[in-house]
Formats: sequence, structure tokens, C-alpha cells
Amino acid sequence: GQQVMQIPQYQHVQEGEDFTTYCNSSTTLSNIQWYKQRPGGHPVFLIQLVKSGEVKKQKRLTFQFGEAKKNSSLHITATQTTDVGTYFCAGRRTGTASKLTFGTGTRLQVTL
Amino acid sequence: DAMVIQNPRYQVTQFGKPVTLSCSQTLNHNVMYWYQQKSSQAPKLLFHYYDKDFNNEADTPDNFQSRRPNTSFCFLDIRSPGLGDAAMYLCATSWTGYSNQPQHFGDGTRLSIL
Repeated sequence: GQQVMQIPQYQHVQEGEDFTTYCNSSTTLSNIQWYKQRPGGHPVFLIQLVKSGEVKKQKRLTFQFGEAKKNSSLHITATQTTDVGTYFCAGRRTGTASKLTFGTGTRLQVTL
Repeated sequence: DAMVIQNPRYQVTQFGKPVTLSCSQTLNHNVMYWYQQKSSQAPKLLFHYYDKDFNNEADTPDNFQSRRPNTSFCFLDIRSPGLGDAAMYLCATSWTGYSNQPQHFGDGTRLSIL
């Protein structure tokens, strides 16, 4: 079956440092979505990428979709304590009607 | 505000005692999903409804059932909860079942088994 792995599993940074999480799928994806889950909260949709090589920005967050549509990344510039949470990518295998598969997640901790 | 509401936020039940979790939505979305999320893990899809059509995941235990009496409400029934069923249960909705639609999650119900 489809597997979506994220690295790192956990990262601890000091406020102001940059952070990147990588998402890798075992199969080609038709699209990739990113969600953020705060501690004790629920996943919240951040963004969707559809095109090969697509790059989107949301303030300090930059999202990329790989050329082969098998990987994606989320980069946060100058982290803040409000960025704390777990970031999940989620994608659907190309050419199927299968469900959205969530990645394993990266937990980000930011300290002052 | 339109939203996805789950009740209760915390549920405690006894081993083997049936329990029902509820979800309602004011988004008028066609699709409702139930996920199980254990600590430090990704949400795991149990099943979803596209309108009245029920779609079960192949690896969802028979112990888990669902009902959707109308567009707004969806229920998760656990017939005989075991200790391994202790988890956060998340309800989500989307406008359609196509994966290019964002999913909107409720706050979840944290289920404990005594």
C-alpha cells in the first residue's frame, strides 16, 4: 500500500531559527495537502499543492511539491513559539480513487 | 461560525461496554470521515460516508460501526471497546470525496477505557 513518511520525526529549535520537514511518498501523488495540529488540538488545513515543482508561500511558511510529485517540503523561516505543533502532509496516489493518506508527521518544538 | 462539532470532548467507558461518539456539521458537506489517532501518530481513517454511501477501510475492525442518519450528523459506535481502542477520535468533513478538497476537523473525542 501507499506509504507517506516524514522526516524528521521531531525537531526542537530556538525561536528565530529555521525549520524544514520533508514528506516522501512511495508512489506518485496527484496532490499534497499540509495540516498543522497544535498540542491537544485537531489538524487544521494549511495548503494544497497540485502541480509538479509548485512552490507556495504563506507568510513565513514555504511549501514545495517535488518535480516527480513524490515528495514535498515545508520550510518555516524564523520560527516563533506559535509554530509549535505537529505538521502532517497528506496525499492521494495518482490514478486511483483511494483515500488521502496522512504522513507520519513532524513534531516541532520551539523554545525562547 | 460553520463548523464541525464533536461530543463529548472526553469519554470514559468500561472494557467491553458499547460507546457512541457523535459528530455534527454546519458546513453542509457531502462527506464525513472518522479517524482514529493514537498518541504521536498520524490520523488513521476508519471509514467515511459520501452522502449516504458508507465506505469502510479494509483494516477497520468489525468492532467499529458508523451511522449517518442525515447530512448533518454522523455517529461512531464501538460495540465492545478494548484497551487498544483508547485514542482520540476525530471527525472530519469535506465538500466532496475528491482528495483535492481540504478536510475540516472537529476538536475530537478522547476515549479512555477502564
